[in-house]
Amino acid sequence: AQSVTQLGSHVSVSEGALVLLRCNYSSSVPPYLFWYVQYPNQGLQLLLKYTSAATLVKGINGFEAEFKKSETSFHLTKPSAHMSDAAEYFCAVSVSFQGAQKLVFGQGTRLTINP
Amino acid sequence: DTGVSQDPRHKITKRGQNVTFRCDPISEHNRLYWYRQTLGQGPEFLTYFQNEAQLEKSRLLSDRFSAERPKGSFSTLEIQRTEQGDSAMYLCASSLTGPDTQYFGPGTRLTVL
Repeated sequence: AQSVTQLGSHVSVSEGALVLLRCNYSSSVPPYLFWYVQYPNQGLQLLLKYTSAATLVKGINGFEAEFKKSETSFHLTKPSAHMSDAAEYFCAVSVSFQGAQKLVFGQGTRLTINP
Repeated sequence: DTGVSQDPRHKITKRGQNVTFRCDPISEHNRLYWYRQTLGQGPEFLTYFQNEAQLEKSRLLSDRFSAERPKGSFSTLEIQRTEQGDSAMYLCASSLTGPDTQYFGPGTRLTVL
């Protein structure tokens, strides 16, 4: 069964530092992978998605992720953290069923930015 | 484009009461999903509609839960005889056909006292 594991439930970085949020997936078929961000008391906003095209995916707000099949990873990075990046981040893999795609999420990583 | 909307945003109820939530998807989206998110966890899939047909239900959806999408537009999720374990954020998402992105609403936070 498809699943994702996010390493580190809480990551703290200084403003201006590199952000690295880790996600490993398990899938028996080529996966579609997503990163979503959730601000307090809000829904999820799509940051970026991988759908078997380019392995380096660029998203909104300066985030990008690289799909590495050999490592079954899809880590999220941003070169320089901003205070507004503080939020909860979820990695997800899509699972096909009945012709549709349901998302299976990791447990999330809370990102804290220190001034 | 107004996005996915959900109503109410917050609901506090007493154990044993019934509650109903509403989701309005993006207008041209024919697929609608419900997820549940408990504190400190990622969202978990509950159920899925393609147009008005409910095509998939998770084992998480006990017989106290029912969802409808009567005209293939908005959807409702009803919980009967609420329990404290039902306290969670209920998220709705919609998408077009194919492996398309799911767009999420702001969620309804349910607290059962």
